[in-house]
Amino acid sequence: DGGITQSPKYLFRKEGQNVTLSCEQNLNHDAMYWYRQDPGQGLRLIYYSQIVNDFQKGDIAEGYSVSREKKESFPLTVTSAQKNPTAFYLCASSSSGGAETQYFGPGTRLLVL
Amino acid sequence: GQNIDQPTEMTATEGAIVQINCTYQTSGFNGLFWYQQHAGEAPTFLSYNVLDGLEEKGRFSSFLSRSKGYSYLLLKELQMKDSASYLCAARNSGNTPLVFGKGTRLSVIA
Repeated sequence: DGGITQSPKYLFRKEGQNVTLSCEQNLNHDAMYWYRQDPGQGLRLIYYSQIVNDFQKGDIAEGYSVSREKKESFPLTVTSAQKNPTAFYLCASSSSGGAETQYFGPGTRLLVL
Repeated sequence: GQNIDQPTEMTATEGAIVQINCTYQTSGFNGLFWYQQHAGEAPTFLSYNVLDGLEEKGRFSSFLSRSKGYSYLLLKELQMKDSASYLCAARNSGNTPLVFGKGTRLSVIA
């Protein structure tokens, strides 16, 4: 089946710890995105990548890092510098070359212990 | 700057019709998207408009007026399973990331 997978579904972080959220897609999409959603809020862009080995900061990149070494994978690391990491994290992808639709993975809910 | 506005909450009766409005202000424009999001789940794509007019897809239709920076999502023959948040999103240009509104939470009641 083609699609976007995110793991884990739930993730717990201790104070001062870095954690990495996985995002994989087999849709052959060039572009991938990370959004954060807080209760009652819309989606806010953290980072995005339009091509392998390149990525750009979104609106709320502080305290996060990403890599794009493979077309299929776009992991997000939540660092200890992110002081309020509790949120629902959504990964999305789209093909390039126009106003292509973004498709979302199932999300990872991050909680701080 | 970029700004997308939509109502926070709406309530409608099963079997009725509801219209969810969205206004947007973006530096450029390359499409208006609507997504449905059930509680605790990921958004799923509903519709896309780039030209003025109405796009119909089953019980759901979406309208766009580029000159007014305005769109609406029309849901007909409401069902209980339509209770969800509906997200309006716009793209500025090319393949840049979508900018999302805060979503409209729709409650369908019997």
